[in-house]
Parts: sequence; structure tokens; C-alpha cells
Amino acid sequence: GAGVSQSPSNKVTEKGKDVELRCDPISGHTALYWYRQSLGQGLEFLIYFQGNSAPDKSGLPSDRFSAERTGGSVSTLTIQRTQQEDSAVYLCASSPISNEQYFGPGTRLTVT
Amino acid sequence: AQSVTQLDSQVPVFEEAPVELRCNYSSSVSVYLFWYVQYPNQGLQLLLKYLSGSTLVKGINGFEAEFNKSQTSFHLRKPSVHISDTAEYFCAVSGSQGNLIFGKGTKLSVKP
Repeated sequence: GAGVSQSPSNKVTEKGKDVELRCDPISGHTALYWYRQSLGQGLEFLIYFQGNSAPDKSGLPSDRFSAERTGGSVSTLTIQRTQQEDSAVYLCASSPISNEQYFGPGTRLTVT
Repeated sequence: AQSVTQLDSQVPVFEEAPVELRCNYSSSVSVYLFWYVQYPNQGLQLLLKYLSGSTLVKGINGFEAEFNKSQTSFHLRKPSVHISDTAEYFCAVSGSQGNLIFGKGTKLSVKP
């Protein structure tokens, strides 16, 4: 079946603009995770959704970052007033159970 | 707090030679451990996982890893590598919400 998909694959934006990154998880997977991969920080956990429960936002680096998951499926990660340090690859993963995650190809964000 | 240390940032090796990629973790609770592989410009793919049971875990592409609780290690091994194994390898431990806590990664370079 189809894997995790993310769009866009690449996004270039100007500093100060808002961006939205989309993740389509594998159908039926109840858990969804966002991670960020950057040269300086490696792979960092951002946020976690499990079913209809309130998300775990403990990894979000600032209040400019937010995410939502509509209908327990598609998720959107929003970064407001982007900064150059936000440049990274944003990875989404979904999981049928909490200990095996399937990753999407990522969105490469470049803030100029 | 949980953490993962990958002791080697880069490992060069000749084709058909054996390889070991080292991983140590820190956790005060029972752990789930994972190895992921990332090929250039691609997302993360699960190689293998340890949840419980046998401490020797076999994964895809001929890789295996051994969980050693006393040494808090989960080293990845392959007896004979191929050029196609050239990639970055990430060791991870599962956090309290099922989120993954990653090491900094090890770049495996297989030379002919």
C-alpha cells in the first residue's frame, strides 16, 4: 500500500513568511510524529499525535511552530514568521502502534 | 532522560569487509531500540528493532544488532558490506510517548 507522503518536497521561503507543511500518514495508523533534521542538531522530535488525544507538543522549539491533525488523518505543520535557523528537512512518521514508525520522504525547507 | 550516542560519525570500509556501527544508550526505564538507514535524499527506513526477547536481532539487507543491557549498547553489524550499503545509519531509543530519540548518525562509506 501507499506509504507516508509529504508535500511539498521542497519549499523555499523568505524570512518572516509563514509556511505550511503537509503529511498524509498511512491509512489506519493512529499515531503521527513530526521530526526535524538539520546539520547542526541532527534528528529532533517536534510533536506527536495519538488518535483524538491532545498532542504532545514538548518538542516544538518555539511558539512560532504549531501543528494540527484533522480527522485523525492528515497533519499540517505550520511555521510562522520563518527564520533562517528553521531551514531543515521536516520528516513525518506514522505508526500503527507506538514503537514502529514509518517515515515519509520529508520536506526540505530553505529560508532565505 | 534518555539519550543515544553513536561513537563514530564516519566509517569507511572496503566492499565485502565486515562492519560494526556502534551505539550506546542511556535510559532509566526499559527500552525499545531501533536502527534506521537513510539513503541520500531519502527518508528513514527501519532496518531492525529490539522490543524484547532474544538479544540478537536480525533485520533487512543482512544487518543484525545485539542488545547488551549491561553495556547499554546496541551495535549494528554486517559480515560483508556492499557498495549499496553506503548511507547514513541512525540508532534510536523510544521515548516516553513513543517518539524516537536519535543518535547523531554514522555515515557508512563502502569503497570498491
